[in-house]
Amino acid sequence: DVKVTQSSRYLVKRTGEKVFLECVQDMDHENMFWYRQDPGLGLRLIYFSYDVKMKEKGDIPEGYSVSREKKERFSLILESASTNQTSMYLCASSSQGAGASPLHFGNGTRLTVT
Amino acid sequence: KQEVTQIPAALSVPEGENLVLNCSFTDSAIYNLQWFRQDPGKGLTSLLLIQSSQREQTSGRLNASLDKSSGRSTLYIAASQPGDSATYLCAVKIDSNYQLIWGAGTKLIIKP
Repeated sequence: DVKVTQSSRYLVKRTGEKVFLECVQDMDHENMFWYRQDPGLGLRLIYFSYDVKMKEKGDIPEGYSVSREKKERFSLILESASTNQTSMYLCASSSQGAGASPLHFGNGTRLTVT
Repeated sequence: KQEVTQIPAALSVPEGENLVLNCSFTDSAIYNLQWFRQDPGKGLTSLLLIQSSQREQTSGRLNASLDKSSGRSTLYIAASQPGDSATYLCAVKIDSNYQLIWGAGTKLIIKP
């Protein structure tokens, strides 16, 4: 079974802090994604990566950056956390384009920015 | 612009019933459609993926159908169990990029 692991289930940070959210997958998937999920807004794509060192902006990249130095690891970085970035963050991976094969999700990181 | 709608937003049924969840999309030119379930506070689990050339997919008690011409997919759950309680989301892939268009989900409660 594919395993996507997010390093933290819950995280509390202060406004202005630099925040790193880590995601690791164990199935040698080419594609990795970062979503945020908010009540009433559903799932929104922040960034995705289709190869090592490659990244593409999703729908809401502002205030975020990403890093993919190794195939199995995709990091989401909040350069200067703000309260409107309080959300559930979900990492996902797939072996081909996002819809060509099933998307596998981690358990999520609930981030609170105070 | 593709829009994906799931109605109703919530559904409560007694254990043992067969039920159908709905997913509608506005543009029939889709590559495929996926159904996911999400347990409270958790990530999403992929249930079924239907390619545009397929009419249905089955996995255990789950059966998903796809009718592109009418812009509709259904997820049929047979002999529902309390463990089926979750939010069910559908998502469509509309072109060769990596984007999925997501529905808002249907929260399903199976009453023992």
